[in-house]
Amino acid sequence: EVQLMESGGGLVQPGGSLRLSCVASGFSFSRNIMYWVRQGPGKGLVGVARINSDGSNKVYADSVKGRFAVSRDNAKDTLYLQMDSLTAEDTAVYFCARGLVSNYLDPWGQGTLVTVSS
Amino acid sequence: NFMLTQPHSVSQSPGKTVTISCTRSSGSIGSNYVHWYRQRPGSAPAAVIYDDDRRPSGVPDRFSGSIDTPSNSASLTISGLKTEDEADYFCQSYDDTNRAIFGAGTKLTVL
Repeated sequence: EVQLMESGGGLVQPGGSLRLSCVASGFSFSRNIMYWVRQGPGKGLVGVARINSDGSNKVYADSVKGRFAVSRDNAKDTLYLQMDSLTAEDTAVYFCARGLVSNYLDPWGQGTLVTVSS
Repeated sequence: NFMLTQPHSVSQSPGKTVTISCTRSSGSIGSNYVHWYRQRPGSAPAAVIYDDDRRPSGVPDRFSGSIDTPSNSASLTISGLKTEDEADYFCQSYDDTNRAIFGAGTKLTVL
């Protein structure tokens, strides 16, 4: 079964940092594009970052550029999101998702909650 | 960059048909594929339509997608509505750097 499992969320103070992880199973992780998508409380979906299969190409939403960094370890089938200089506006559930041809996201992980508050 | 605009909410009765629109603000709707996701409360999104009009395995043929070039919009149509279809529905496309662009979502109420 194709699965993604996020971890690393939690409560962090404004200005702080957090690293999210997403472990993949059931498919060839190293051959797939991966995404991070977030959803603020009661809000819609926002594409945060995209990384290609070998990690050589990364794109970010304007709202996180310069503060967030996406990376991957294909030997560990794991995707990461390093989040720095966090603000209250970054409070959200963060999902990882596999990106298929034409940037169709499937499947999605269950999400991990990040709360930025003092 | 472009935006995707969806109605905030729609409602329809069981057994009827509902259509949710997704309008692209700039650039042609046909330039990049549109995908649709359903999200039930407390759950992750899951695709119901990809590549404008294709159904993932396991999605019933009550779900269909289309593109309308004159209105620069995509549509998700659900026929034979069931109470289990009640959820939030999001459209998604991508820009020329392959960043994912989502609509704000449409809350479907089946009553």
